[in-house]
Amino acid sequence: QLQLQESGPGLVKPWESLSLTCNVSGGSVSSSAYYWGWIRQSPGKGLEWIASVYYSGTTYYNPSLESRVTVSVDLSKNQFSLKLTSVTAVDTAIYYCARHGRRQLGGGYFDYWGQGTPVTVSS
Amino acid sequence: EIVLTQSPGTLSLSPGERATLSCRASQSLGTYLAWHQQKPGRPPRLLIYAVSGRAAGVPDRFSGSGSGTDFRLTISSLEPEDFAVYYCQQYATSLWTFGQGTKVEIK
Repeated sequence: QLQLQESGPGLVKPWESLSLTCNVSGGSVSSSAYYWGWIRQSPGKGLEWIASVYYSGTTYYNPSLESRVTVSVDLSKNQFSLKLTSVTAVDTAIYYCARHGRRQLGGGYFDYWGQGTPVTVSS
Repeated sequence: EIVLTQSPGTLSLSPGERATLSCRASQSLGTYLAWHQQKPGRPPRLLIYAVSGRAAGVPDRFSGSGSGTDFRLTISSLEPEDFAVYYCQQYATSLWTFGQGTKVEIK
């Protein structure tokens, strides 16, 4: 059974960088069939896709965040990461990592989700 | 960016009743539409993919339908565990988006 687990600091100061890691077990980030993504959910609000990364390093970013976001994959550790720079209070949210398939193979929907990690931006 | 608009915002129903949730897209999605269920304090859970495909372990009281820009999630007879928030998600483009959610609450 595939499992994803986010880790990272729960509190980040304004204008600093947020770094999160998603550890994958029961499956491989090296799979050519899947992308690995980050989604966030602000308090009381809906879901916002942030970015996705493929095992080859190919990335997709939400244009609204692209200037501040970097995602990467570490095949040796079977994990992928998110870095968000210059954070402010609006970046306070629960951050989820998730898997989605390649649209060309009939995928594209998020089928496995991590439990989520809350991040608060505050001094 | 494809905008997904869900209606109603809140649906107040009793156990055993039928629930119909709507998701309208700002442009055609083909069959690239999924539905997720989220309960308080929990991550979303995939229910439906490709408009009408049920994910593993999803009861058959959940069904999806629609095409183009108009889609529906139907719960044929609400069970107590079905009261939750439901999100539609499109994957027709490489800018994945979600609807704002419909809360199904106990009347």
